This record gives sequence, structure tokens and C-alpha cells, in this order.
Amino acid sequence: KAGVTQTPRYLIKTRGQQVTLSCSPISGHRSVSWYQQTPGQGLQFLFEYFSETQRNKGNFPGRFSGRQFSNSRSEMNVSTLELGDSALYLCASSLATAGGIGYTFGSGTRLTVV
Amino acid sequence: DAKTTQPNSMESNEEEPVHLPCNHSTISGTDYIHWYRQLPSQGPEYVIHGLTSNVNNRMASLAIAEDRKSSTLILHRATLRDAAVYYCIRARGGSNYKLTFGKGTLLTVNP
Repeated sequence: KAGVTQTPRYLIKTRGQQVTLSCSPISGHRSVSWYQQTPGQGLQFLFEYFSETQRNKGNFPGRFSGRQFSNSRSEMNVSTLELGDSALYLCASSLATAGGIGYTFGSGTRLTVV
Repeated sequence: DAKTTQPNSMESNEEEPVHLPCNHSTISGTDYIHWYRQLPSQGPEYVIHGLTSNVNNRMASLAIAEDRKSSTLILHRATLRDAAVYYCIRARGGSNYKLTFGKGTLLTVNP
């Protein structure tokens, strides 16, 4: 079966611009989470959506937002980009939100802000 | 937040078993232990998870201490493809469920 698909794979943006990243979860998975990975901070949780509702949010500024559609696909938006937003953004999907369920990650979108 | 402690790095030889330790001394009764690994230039990959009992799957085994304050991921025969960063995660259920990654253990496999 198809895995988690993230588009685009690479992106270069200018400081001050905004960007939208897309994530298509595994068919049947209703939970989608987003993570930011940088060399300095490692993997950090951004937010999680389940059935179109944000269930959990990490400690990121309001410039980072997301949404989930009825087909479980999710988008993440970052407004007013800063140089420090350069990172690998990872999406993960799961059947449900529960500690006993594993997540499947996509390969990520590499965002570079110049 | 959920904290686990892992060695920064470990080294193994190909075709030998590898035991990756993890301490989670403040674990609560409903927390699961998850292991993920991340190969270079890829997203994390689920390896295994457990609650109280030892678990086995095609990738690895998970041994959980009786008091649940520590666990060990066991790769029975390491291959070069197993070289990765391994993350031990304490996963809480419910509406606040999320994976909180630490720095993980960088596993090097020597041919």
C-alpha cells in the first residue's frame, strides 16, 4: 500500500514569504501529525489532527498552522518565514491517537529559507 | 514532558546482536514504550512498541523491565542497513498523545 506522501520534497523560500506543505496519509489513517527536524533541536512536535480537528499542539509560534481535510489529507502553513524555519518538516499518520498505535512517517519536505 | 535517556552512540559488528538500552524511570502505568529509527535522509521508521510484556516482530525484540523503568531494543543480527539513529519514546495515550523525541542513539554497524 502507498505510504505517507509529502509534497514538495524540497522548497526554497525567501524570508518574509509564506509556505504551504502537503501531506497525504496512508489510506484509512485518520490521524496526521507534523514534526520539525533541525540539527540543533532535533525532532519537535508541531501539531496533530484527527478527523479534521486539531487534537494537540506543540510549542511553536502562531505563524505555524495546519488543517486537515475530510479525506484526512493535511496541510501545514508557515507565514512570515524566518531563517530559523529552515528545517526538514515531517508528517506522520496513524489509525488513531493512542499510545498503543505506531506512526508511519513520510520522507519529509526540506524547506530552506534564504 | 515525557523523558527517556539513551546513550549517545553505540557500535556493533555486522551479524552480531545489538542491545540498545533506554531508561524511562518516570514512566506511568498507561505509557507505552515506542522505538523508531531514522536512516540518513529519511523520516523516522516505526520499529516496535510495548506496554508491559516483551514484544517481538520481524524487525526486532523489545524487552521491558519488570518495573518498566527501562527497556532494551534487541536487533538479533545487525546488518549495515541497521545503521541509524534509534529513538526510544514514552508515548502517552489519550487526546494529548504525541511522540516526544529525544536525541536518540546513533548506531554504527561495522562490516
